[in-house]
This record gives sequence, structure tokens and C-alpha cells, in this order.
Amino acid sequence: DVKVTQSSRYLVKRTGEKVFLECVQDMDHENMFWYRQDPGLGLRLIYFSYDVKMKEKGDIPEGYSVSREKKERFSLILESASTNQTSMYLCASSIRVWNRVFKDEQYFGPGTRLTVT
Amino acid sequence: QQQVKQSPQSLIVQKGGISIINCAYENTAFDYFPWYQQFPGKGPALLIAIRPDVSEKKEGRFTISFNKSAKQFSLHIMDSQPGDSATYFCAATNSGGSNYKLTFGKGTLLTVNP
Repeated sequence: DVKVTQSSRYLVKRTGEKVFLECVQDMDHENMFWYRQDPGLGLRLIYFSYDVKMKEKGDIPEGYSVSREKKERFSLILESASTNQTSMYLCASSIRVWNRVFKDEQYFGPGTRLTVT
Repeated sequence: QQQVKQSPQSLIVQKGGISIINCAYENTAFDYFPWYQQFPGKGPALLIAIRPDVSEKKEGRFTISFNKSAKQFSLHIMDSQPGDSATYFCAATNSGGSNYKLTFGKGTLLTVNP
């Protein structure tokens, strides 16, 4: 069964701390994504990666960085956590297939609810 | 040009009723339109998707209607059930694009009352 796991369900950090959120997928997917989800704002893309050691900025990369040293693992780093980074963080991996029909599916982890105090 | 606008933000429907969620896009390069369903405490999961070569796609009680000229698409949930209560996101992407990003709408919180 397809699985994306995130290292923590809940995390509380202090302002200024460096925070690591880990995501692991077991599907051998090339593409991985980090989103944050806030009420009324939907899913906003922070960073994504389409290959090992490759990364691209999403819509809201400021204050974040990422690391992808292995295909199955994609880490989100908050260099110096701030209160406005309190949010739900969702990791996803995806496969895009062209057979007779096209299919693109992102598989999401359960999320990490981060509180920065 | 990258936006997908989704409405309504929230929706309350009685059991057995029809739930309708609408989305509009601007980027004419988008050619794949999935819907994701998210239950509380879970990540979103793909529900149903459509390409613009068809105007409608049905899977069980869920139907996507697509209007290419208006650049709009909608999700219809027939015979809505309390178990359908969730947040629904529409999305769009370019199947031939060089990256695999999805552009998501802001979501609709559906509540189906028993």
C-alpha cells in the first residue's frame, strides 16, 4: 500500500529555533512536495523536488529550505522559526503516468501540526 | 494566470441532497483537473479527475462537469451522505509541463447533516 510518512504529527518549537520536518515515501516516486495548509488559504506549495538533490521554489519559499539527499526522503527546514510559521505542514509524493490515459496523483502524508511559540 | 478559484468556501447540505462545488481557472495551458478530498486529521487524497476532451466524468455518486470555453469545472456529489463531510480541493495542472506542480483551489468545507 502506498505510504507517505511524516516524522511528527505534532511539534512545538520556540521562536528562533531551527526546525526539521522529515518526510519519507516508499513508492519510489521522483517528485516530492511540501505544502502548508492554513484555514481559508488552502494548500500553498513551499518547495518541490523532481529528483535527488534537485529542488525548486514553490509559491511561498521564504523562511524555508529543503533537502533531498535520497530519493525517498524530503526534508523541510525552518532556519529560524517564527510565529507566522505556525501551521499544518503536508508532504506529498507523486507519480505522473502516460499510458492510454494520463494520470497524475499526489499522495499526501498525514501532516505535521507545528506550533511556534 | 496560475490561480484556480474555488467556491463556495463552505457548504452545508442535508443528507440525500446534491452538493455542488465550483472552480474556475485562467491558465489555458491547464489540461488536467483533479479533485482531492480531505478528512479531518488526514492528508488530502485523489477523488476523481478529468481531462478537457470530455465534458463529464462520473464515478459512483461523484461527477465532474467541465466547461472548456468558460474555463470552469465543478464537482457534484449526488445523494450526499454524512460520510462525505470533508474538505474538497479542486486543482489543475499542465500534463505536458516540465514540472509536476498542481495549482490548488482554496478548498470547500462540506458538511452533510443527517
